Amino acid sequence: GQNIDQPTEMTATEGAIVQINCTYQTSGFNGLFWYQQHAGEAPTFLSYNVLDGLEEKGRFSSFLSRSKGYSYLLLKELQMKDSASYLCAVRDSRYALNFGKGTSLLVTP
Amino acid sequence: IAGITQAPTSQILAAGRRMTLRCTQDMRHNAMYWYRQDLGLGLRLIHYSNTAGTTGKGEVPDGYSVSRANTDDFPLTLASAVPSQTSVYFCASSRDSETGELFFGEGSRLTVL
Repeated sequence: GQNIDQPTEMTATEGAIVQINCTYQTSGFNGLFWYQQHAGEAPTFLSYNVLDGLEEKGRFSSFLSRSKGYSYLLLKELQMKDSASYLCAVRDSRYALNFGKGTSLLVTP
Repeated sequence: IAGITQAPTSQILAAGRRMTLRCTQDMRHNAMYWYRQDLGLGLRLIHYSNTAGTTGKGEVPDGYSVSRANTDDFPLTLASAVPSQTSVYFCASSRDSETGELFFGEGSRLTVL
């Protein structure tokens, strides 16, 4: 089975940097994904890590440590539109993608 | 425009009725998935299909069935709906089961009374 943990809620200020952590225990590992989901909308893909290290894509970066079962999503230069839920997901040995419960991020002025 | 189409967008259903949620993708993706999303529980995998003709059970398969007769379609059937199946259902697809991100449909909101 799998166990994917991430904080339930976070608050940050516009223009700041925020780090959303995700820890996981899974039967087999075939990649870790981060998705963004605005209220009432479908999740949209942000990043993918399969090897250890940092992947950078504009204002968003994602880090993975497979030995520690740990990832984080880093959001820089926060904007009000970044207020959303951020979902950590792990692809397991069956290649199914399993999601954590999500972190609700509120960006304040 | 390529993508995933789900139908219906919203449905209210009496308990005990049979219901099929439709999902069609035109991206020629091999893998398809059904998730339900409930407040406080996040996205939970119901069933998946790594390729046409094969299906697998996810985390919460009970009360649901799927079929994958071709690459494009992946319907989800509730044989006899119960109130605990009230949820938002998302269909998703990926290029293949081993690599590539999931693309999600817009969701189907189902209420079982």
